[in-house]
Amino acid sequence: DTGVSQNPRHKITKRGQNVTFRCDPISEHNRLYWYRQTLGQGPEFLTYFQNEAQLEKSRLLSDRFSAERPKGSFSTLEIQRTEQGDSAMYLCASSLGQGPGGYYEQFFGPGTRLTVL
Amino acid sequence: AQKVTQAQTEISVVEKEDVTLDCVYETRDTTYYLFWYKQPPSGELVFLIRRNSFDEQNEISGRYSWNFQKSTSSFNFTITASQVVDSAVYFCALSELGRDDKIIFGKGTRLHILP
Repeated sequence: DTGVSQNPRHKITKRGQNVTFRCDPISEHNRLYWYRQTLGQGPEFLTYFQNEAQLEKSRLLSDRFSAERPKGSFSTLEIQRTEQGDSAMYLCASSLGQGPGGYYEQFFGPGTRLTVL
Repeated sequence: AQKVTQAQTEISVVEKEDVTLDCVYETRDTTYYLFWYKQPPSGELVFLIRRNSFDEQNEISGRYSWNFQKSTSSFNFTITASQVVDSAVYFCALSELGRDDKIIFGKGTRLHILP
C-alpha cells in the first residue's frame, strides 16, 4: 500500500493522559498536513510541514498540541493532558507541494479517531 | 476571510434520482482552487475534483458533474442516476494559491440514497 498511513486507527484515553499519533506520508511527498475533524463538521486545518520545517500552525493548535516531522519523513502529533474536547478524528495528508506545475493534490490518510473519556 | 458554506446538512433521495449538492464560497483572492471530497462510512476522504478559479467550464465525469459559477461564488455538484454506493458525506472545499495550500472545508452534506 503506497498511500498515506496513520497509526493507531483508534485511541481511547482518559482525560489528562498524553497521546501520540503517527502519520507516514507517501514517500516522495515533501508536504505533510494535519487536520482535525469533529463530529458533523468538515476537517479543520491544524498545521503543516514542508520537509522537516513546520511552516504554519492554526490557532486551533493549543499549547498542549505539538507536531514534529524529524528528517522530513513521518510525522507525529502529540496531545498533552488530553481534554474531552480533544475527541475527534485526526487526519493526515501529504502532497508534493506547490511547484512549476502549480497545485499538487493532498492525499488523505484514514485518520486516527481519538476518544477522551 | 475564506469560508465555504454547504447549506444542505442532509439529503435523501431514492435511487436513480438526480441530486445536486450546493456549495457557496467566500474568498478575497482572485486565484484559488475549489474541491469536492467524498467521505464514505469508512471515514477516508476521497478526492473527487479540483477546479482552478480561472477555469469556469463545467466538468462531467461519468455520473458526476460540477457547475462552477464565479458570478455567484458557487460550485455545485450533481450526481445523475444516483446509486446506493453514492451514500456518503460530501465536502466542498477551498484553497487559496499562495496560502500554503491548506484546504478550508465546508461542514459537509450527508447524502442518503435509498434503495
